[in-house]
Amino acid sequence: QVSLRESGPALVKPTQTLTLTCTFSGFSLTPSTHMCVSWIRQTPGKAPEWLARIDWDDDKYYNSSLKTRLTISKDTAKSQVVLTMTDMDPLDTATYYCVRTAPHDAGSRYYFYMDVWGRGTTVAVS
Amino acid sequence: ETVLTQSPGTLSLSPGERATLSCRASQSVSANCLAWYQLKPGHAPRLLIYGASLRATGVPDRFTGSGSGTDFILTISRLEPEDFAVYYCQQYGSSPMYTFGQGTKLEIK
Repeated sequence: QVSLRESGPALVKPTQTLTLTCTFSGFSLTPSTHMCVSWIRQTPGKAPEWLARIDWDDDKYYNSSLKTRLTISKDTAKSQVVLTMTDMDPLDTATYYCVRTAPHDAGSRYYFYMDVWGRGTTVAVS
Repeated sequence: ETVLTQSPGTLSLSPGERATLSCRASQSVSANCLAWYQLKPGHAPRLLIYGASLRATGVPDRFTGSGSGTDFILTISRLEPEDFAVYYCQQYGSSPMYTFGQGTKLEIK
């Protein structure tokens, strides 16, 4: 059974760096799986926002509007993915989700969709 | 960036009724890579549909996704009490740049 769990501080101060850890089970980030892990955040009443993705081969992708503030990394042995976000602002107050991202064979190539989500962790910046 | 517009913003229906949720993209979604998610307070978001019409594992067959190109529909044939939630569409055809619609709140009438 696939599961993901986010952990990190519930409260950070403006200008601080946020570090979130995703601990997962039921799959691995290895070449044999072609799996990825993404981070998504959502502020109440707004659409979810994709932040970053790390792939089985350690390729990393970031939301262009937040790229300078984000770093994603993985520890395959620990089944963990870590996201850091620098220079936190009250506008970054949100629920942050860790999401398994799986390959979808769409015929001509693979696309990666988000299939299993963690329950999220709420972060307030104040 | 592909912008997704969902309608209606809020849908008020009764259990047993049929729900039709719309998601329109600002440009054609590559390979119809469109997913639908259900969000409920206190629960992990749940994937319902991917590839526009492929039902995710364990999703009841009352949930049906359809559409292609720029226009997509999520239909819930007979609403159950647990179906009242917020639904989001998401495109992943431009992955790794993913975008979501602004959501449709399905509430009990």
